[in-house]
Amino acid sequence: EAQVTQNPRYLITVTGKKLTVTCSQNMNHEYMSWYRQDPGLGLRQIYYSMNVEVTDKGDVPEGYKVSRKEKRNFPLILESPSPNQTSLYFCASSLLGQAGRLLNSPLHFGNGTRLTVT
Amino acid sequence: AQKVTQAQTEISVVEKEDVTLDCVYETRDTTYYLFWYKQPPSGELVFLIRRNSFDEQNEISGRYSWNFQKSTSSFNFTITASQVVDSAVYFCALIRTGRRALTFGSGTRLQVQP
Repeated sequence: EAQVTQNPRYLITVTGKKLTVTCSQNMNHEYMSWYRQDPGLGLRQIYYSMNVEVTDKGDVPEGYKVSRKEKRNFPLILESPSPNQTSLYFCASSLLGQAGRLLNSPLHFGNGTRLTVT
Repeated sequence: AQKVTQAQTEISVVEKEDVTLDCVYETRDTTYYLFWYKQPPSGELVFLIRRNSFDEQNEISGRYSWNFQKSTSSFNFTITASQVVDSAVYFCALIRTGRRALTFGSGTRLQVQP
């Protein structure tokens, strides 16, 4: 079954304790991305990757790191989590269209990771 | 800059009522795509529809229909004869040429009461 798998689903941690949220897709998609969802703000992009070893910042990258060593995996790393990073996180993937454009392909989202930082 | 506005924060209807969710967008590009996603209480995001800026035909899929009007920069979503299972948060989103991310609206929470 084609899917984007995120783990864990729920995570409660304390300020400053490094954590990693994993994301894996089995659709051979070039593009992967992380979003965070906050009430009243919709979804905002944190980081994205157009292919292996190619990553770039989204709209709200502060406090996050990512890596793309393999095509299928795109982990999100919080080196020193803070309470303002309490949020619902989504990983997404997509094919790239003509000329490497992310224009008309729908994003496939994982089921989300609800992170609470105390 | 691009922006998506979903002015309706929350809508509550009774089952079998029709309901329209509004989406207004801003972009200077002539080529762009619009999307609707559904987020049920379980939390996942479900893709509903994609529409490109050159196709203003309305689309119908079962009880769902979408009205795209470039003249008013709107891409509204109507659910006919709503059901309790339609209760969810619905997001409208936009992407334009060269962008690497969708711009999402803040979402509309729809509650369908039995």
